[in-house]
Amino acid sequence: GENVEQHPSTLSVQEGDSAVIKCTYSDSASNYFPWYKQELGKRPQLIIDIRSNVGEKKDQRIAVTLNKTAKHFSLHITETQPEDSAVYFCALSMNTGFQKLVFGTGTRLLVSP
Amino acid sequence: DAMVIQNPRYQVTQFGKPVTLSCSQTLNHNVMYWYQQKSSQAPKLLFHYYDKDFNNEADTPDNFQSRRPNTSFCFLDIRSPGLGDAAMYLCATSTSLETQYFGPGTRLLVL
Repeated sequence: GENVEQHPSTLSVQEGDSAVIKCTYSDSASNYFPWYKQELGKRPQLIIDIRSNVGEKKDQRIAVTLNKTAKHFSLHITETQPEDSAVYFCALSMNTGFQKLVFGTGTRLLVSP
Repeated sequence: DAMVIQNPRYQVTQFGKPVTLSCSQTLNHNVMYWYQQKSSQAPKLLFHYYDKDFNNEADTPDNFQSRRPNTSFCFLDIRSPGLGDAAMYLCATSTSLETQYFGPGTRLLVL
């Protein structure tokens, strides 16, 4: 089945710095790419998503870029804040009538004040 | 205005004692999913319902079963919990083509 590689597994930044997390995939049929943020003991929460007909999407301090040719997509967080500290999961799916998500392995982001 | 509700939030059971976890949704989504998430790992899909159609993942153990009596409710039954089944169980919902929304999860402890 489809496999998603996510890097880095851990990322430590200073408050105000930018953070970038990258995921690569192999199946060119993948067409939906969400990113979830999961704080300790809480549910995964969708923070941004992108579809394969778009190369970039931005929502305030968060952006996602998609390179379909190279089969990778990245999450960019600017002006990081301590409350951005969490585990971030990339995911993807192919529309087959329902959203079967394949998750990356997660990135633990720590933002130090 | 909770959209995906899971009860209980914490469940303690004994080794081998059947346990049922519940999920309800107010979104009227036609697809409901059950995931198992162990510490520091990504959620792992166990099965999903597309309307009333049940779809099991190939590697989901027979020990896990599910019921969906109506659009709003979905249950996860673990027939004989083992120590390895201790995890967070997440319910999620979506329409056919849109984003999945997760419930708060039920943390299961097996003694």
